[in-house]
Amino acid sequence: GENVEQHPSTLSVQEGDSAVIKCTYSDSASNYFPWYKQELGKGPQLIIDIRSNVGEKKDQRIAVTLNKTAKHFSLHITETQPEDSAVYFCAASITGFQKLVFGTGTRLLVSP
Amino acid sequence: NAGVTQTPKFRVLKTGQSMTLLCAQDMNHEYMYWYRQDPGMGLRLIHYSVGEGTTAKGEVPDGYNVSRLKKQNFLLGLESAAPSQTSVYFCASSYSGLAGRSEQYFGPGTRLTVT
Repeated sequence: GENVEQHPSTLSVQEGDSAVIKCTYSDSASNYFPWYKQELGKGPQLIIDIRSNVGEKKDQRIAVTLNKTAKHFSLHITETQPEDSAVYFCAASITGFQKLVFGTGTRLLVSP
Repeated sequence: NAGVTQTPKFRVLKTGQSMTLLCAQDMNHEYMYWYRQDPGMGLRLIHYSVGEGTTAKGEVPDGYNVSRLKKQNFLLGLESAAPSQTSVYFCASSYSGLAGRSEQYFGPGTRLTVT
């Protein structure tokens, strides 16, 4: 089955810096890669996703890149703000099967 | 819309006791899911449902049962709770599994402790 590895487990940055979180997946059939943000005491919330027919997707300060050959994808957050502090999860699945496999999470701390 | 709601928010059980966690969604979603979240392990799929009256096993189904008698509700049952089932449980729903309609919306979670 699919296996998703996520690094780093914790990431501390200064406000205004960029943050990058990386994930690798094992199943070459996976074609859907969402990123979720989980704030303390809440459920995860989708922030951006990418499908295997594109290499990059941007939404304001957030971007995701996908390298199908290497089977890895990354989340990029620019101009970080304290409210970006949360746990971020990557995931992978095959469209239509809906079995999301999650990475182990990255705790991002943005210091003012 | 309330989105995805879960009851209860917190629960403490003794080993061997049973309980049911309730998930409800008001978005008319076809698909529903139950996950557990443990430190350092991310979220793992327990069971899921692709429509009313259907259920299927996920990654870690042992010790749990589910039912989807109504489209808007998805119940997770623990027949004989064990300390290994201490976790935070999340319910999620999505419109379908098809491209563009597959975003999963999560509830706020239920923190369960088994002593």
